[in-house]
Amino acid sequence: DTEVTQTPKHLVMGMTNKKSLKCEQHMGHRAMYWYKQKAKKPPELMFVYSYEKLSINESVPSRFSPECPNSSLLNLHLHALQPEDSALYLCASSQDFGGSSTDTQYFGPGTRLTVL
Amino acid sequence: SQQGEEDPQALSIQEGENATMNCSYKTSINNLQWYRQNSGRGLVHLILIRSNEREKHSGRLRVTLDTSKKSSSLLITASRAADTASYFCATGTNSGGSNYKLTFGKGTLLTVNP
Repeated sequence: DTEVTQTPKHLVMGMTNKKSLKCEQHMGHRAMYWYKQKAKKPPELMFVYSYEKLSINESVPSRFSPECPNSSLLNLHLHALQPEDSALYLCASSQDFGGSSTDTQYFGPGTRLTVL
Repeated sequence: SQQGEEDPQALSIQEGENATMNCSYKTSINNLQWYRQNSGRGLVHLILIRSNEREKHSGRLRVTLDTSKKSSSLLITASRAADTASYFCATGTNSGGSNYKLTFGKGTLLTVNP
């Protein structure tokens, strides 16, 4: 099973709302990632969790708050977002995170977020 | 900053033809990976080539890597309409310690016409 699932598929929220994106994998991967992708642009790394600890935060605004409750789950809590935060949010996982040259990242289908 | 830069940005071919996409990068890498993305959906991993490898095959895919020129190419042979998608190269690098990052290029939009 090489599947990463993400919920919801689509999300529309106002600038004052609080919402969460969820990601799940059951491949026993110990590294999980959040990416943001604007239309016709490449994915941009936001956060990396390794063994349930935050390893990389790419200077993401605090209105995005990641959480890794356990090795299979990754959440992204959203609060007071701006319209420019509208994008496709992709979750990915890989077996490990430590510079192995064989680390393949498996991506979920993404959550299409629209901020009004 | 973008590590990988794909060329061309868009490519339109007829079914059955071969498609070649190129990727250039700037810094030393651990590996280079190619991903495919259908419109507005998740990325699918196609192939990974390590920095000490020069060529790799997977089905109709052929990837080359030239570390001296800091470039890679993806060849899709006998293309099909279902190959229509955006193709991204991604370079895997260590940013110090155990911080391994995957940085994506801008992508090539491939259209295969029936």
